[in-house]
Amino acid sequence: EVQLVESGGGLVQPGRSLKLSCAASGFTFSNYGMHWIRQAPTKGLEWVASISPSGGSTYYRDSVKGRFTISRDNAKSTLYLQMDSLRSEDTATYYCATPTVDYWGQGVMVTVSS
Amino acid sequence: DVVMTQTPPSLSVAIGQSVSISCKSSQSLVYSDGKTYLHWLLQSPGRSPKRLIYQVSNLGSGVPDRFSGTGSQKDFTLKISRVEAEDLGVYYCAQTTHFPRTFGGGTKLELK
Repeated sequence: EVQLVESGGGLVQPGRSLKLSCAASGFTFSNYGMHWIRQAPTKGLEWVASISPSGGSTYYRDSVKGRFTISRDNAKSTLYLQMDSLRSEDTATYYCATPTVDYWGQGVMVTVSS
Repeated sequence: DVVMTQTPPSLSVAIGQSVSISCKSSQSLVYSDGKTYLHWLLQSPGRSPKRLIYQVSNLGSGVPDRFSGTGSQKDFTLKISRVEAEDLGVYYCAQTTHFPRTFGGGTKLELK
């Protein structure tokens, strides 16, 4: 059974950093690209970043370029999202998901507020 | 960016009724491999999204055949025949053909 379990969320002040993790199991993690997708409170879904299976290629939405870094550790079957210089508009539930959005984690809440 | 325009934004339905949701993209969603990476998701209240339909018309594992998807290029439709209570929530179309990946604004399905 495929499982994606996010962790690392919480309340953080504007300008500070946070690192999210997504532990994957039930499939060969190293064979698949992965996404981070977020959902602000009461809003729709917004793609944040993607990474290729090897980690050699990464893609970001414009609003997070230069602030967020997606990475992966295939030996640990874990996906990461390093979020720096956080802004209030980054407040959202963050999900990790497989490339064709067939599997999603339970989501982790990130609140950016002073 | 590919803009996904989903209509209507909300639907009020009776159990047993059939409904359709439209999703139109600003660009063709046909990828270089000839496949169209347009998917339909359902987010039930308080839950993570769940994929119902992949590549326009393929039913996800365990998804009832009351759900069906049609369309091509830039124009897509999700149909739900005989709505059941468990179908309530917000439906999204999503494209994974182009970067950035984009989603429709959502259609909230509620009970009449």
